[in-house]
Amino acid sequence: EVQLLESGGGLVQPGGSLRLSCAASGFTFSGYAMNWVRQTPGKGLEWVSTISGGGNSTYYADSVKGRFTISRDNSKNTLYLQMNNLRAEDTAIYYCVTLGHSGYYFDNWGQGTLVTVSS
Amino acid sequence: EIVMTQSPATLSVSPGERATLSCRASQSVTSYLAWYQQKPGQAPRLLIYGASTRATDIPARFSGSGSGTDFTLTISSLQSEDFAVYFCQQYNNWPRITFGQGTRLEIK
Repeated sequence: EVQLLESGGGLVQPGGSLRLSCAASGFTFSGYAMNWVRQTPGKGLEWVSTISGGGNSTYYADSVKGRFTISRDNSKNTLYLQMNNLRAEDTAIYYCVTLGHSGYYFDNWGQGTLVTVSS
Repeated sequence: EIVMTQSPATLSVSPGERATLSCRASQSVTSYLAWYQQKPGQAPRLLIYGASTRATDIPARFSGSGSGTDFTLTISSLQSEDFAVYFCQQYNNWPRITFGQGTRLEIK
């Protein structure tokens, strides 16, 4: 059974930093591209970032480019999201998600971790 | 950016009846369309991908149709566990993936 467990969310001031982690199990982690997707009541669901299985290729939404960095440690089956220069509009639930086997849809989701950016 | 518009925002249906949810793209996404179900306090769950292919363990009462710009999710006979929020997502324009704003399916 695929399991994705996010951690690292919390309250941070504008301009601050936070690192999210996602521990994966139940599948061959290095064989899957991994993603972060976020959700807010106002803007709904928003794709944030994707990293290839080997970690060589990364992709970002324009809204986070230059501020967020996605990475992975395949030896630890763990996905990361380093978030710098955080803004109020980054407040959201962040989900760790696997990419589908036949397209860029989102197959398995973690339970999410809440990030709140506020002074 | 491809804008995904779902209608209606809220749909009230009685258990046992059929529910039809719509999703329209601002430009063609061919068949690169997925549907998700989200219950309160839970993460979204993949229902349909490729516009019409059910994901693993999804009951046959869920079906997806459409191509190009107009898509439909049909739930043939609503069960109590089906009342939730449903989102569509296009992935034709990767990495510029976009989601619809959701349709809330509530008990009539």
